[in-house]
Amino acid sequence: QVQLQESGPGLVKPSQTLSLTCTVSGGSTSSGGYYWSWIRQLPGKGLEWIGYIYYSGSTYYNPSLKSLVTISLATSKNQFSLILSSMTAADTAVYYCARGKVQGNYFDYWGQGTLVTVSS
Amino acid sequence: QSVLTQPPSVSGAPGQRVTISCTGSSSNVGAGYDVHWYQQLPGTAPKLLIYRNTNRPSGVPDRFSGSKSGTSASLAITGLQAEDEAEYYCQSYDSSLSGSVVFGGGTRLTVL
Repeated sequence: QVQLQESGPGLVKPSQTLSLTCTVSGGSTSSGGYYWSWIRQLPGKGLEWIGYIYYSGSTYYNPSLKSLVTISLATSKNQFSLILSSMTAADTAVYYCARGKVQGNYFDYWGQGTLVTVSS
Repeated sequence: QSVLTQPPSVSGAPGQRVTISCTGSSSNVGAGYDVHWYQQLPGTAPKLLIYRNTNRPSGVPDRFSGSKSGTSASLAITGLQAEDEAEYYCQSYDSSLSGSVVFGGGTRLTVL
């Protein structure tokens, strides 16, 4: 059974950079066929795709966030990470990591999510 | 406004059948991209419910079914149960603006 677990700070100051890590167990980030993904959910709102990375290192980002986002892969640790710069209060959200299937482009396993609050 | 449009809420009595629509456009659902559905129980992460329009992952009851036609897709739930009360999201891919995964705004299902 594939499991994903997000880790990182729960509180970030405005204008700072957020760094989150997702640790994968029961599956390998170095195997093909999957996108390693970040998705967020603003309070009381719907889901917003942030981006994903393929095992080869190719990245794909939401055009509306592209200039602020970097997703990287650490296959030796079976982890992938999200960096989101210039955080504002509007970025307060629950951040999920998820495994995406390349064939079909859907998310079959999700982490439990981590709440990140942007506040001074 | 979400790229995929869902009704904000639907409701039904136990045992009834409800459907949730997901309306897209020619750059996503209408372009042939698959539609997927997720169930999000309160306080939990979304869970894959239907993938590639009509397929159920192992463990999802056959009371849940999906369909797709043209620029729209639907999720049907038959034999409604109290534990089905949740938020439901559709998801697809949009080829405009350099390409992007897109979600519907979500539909709150209330079991009366």
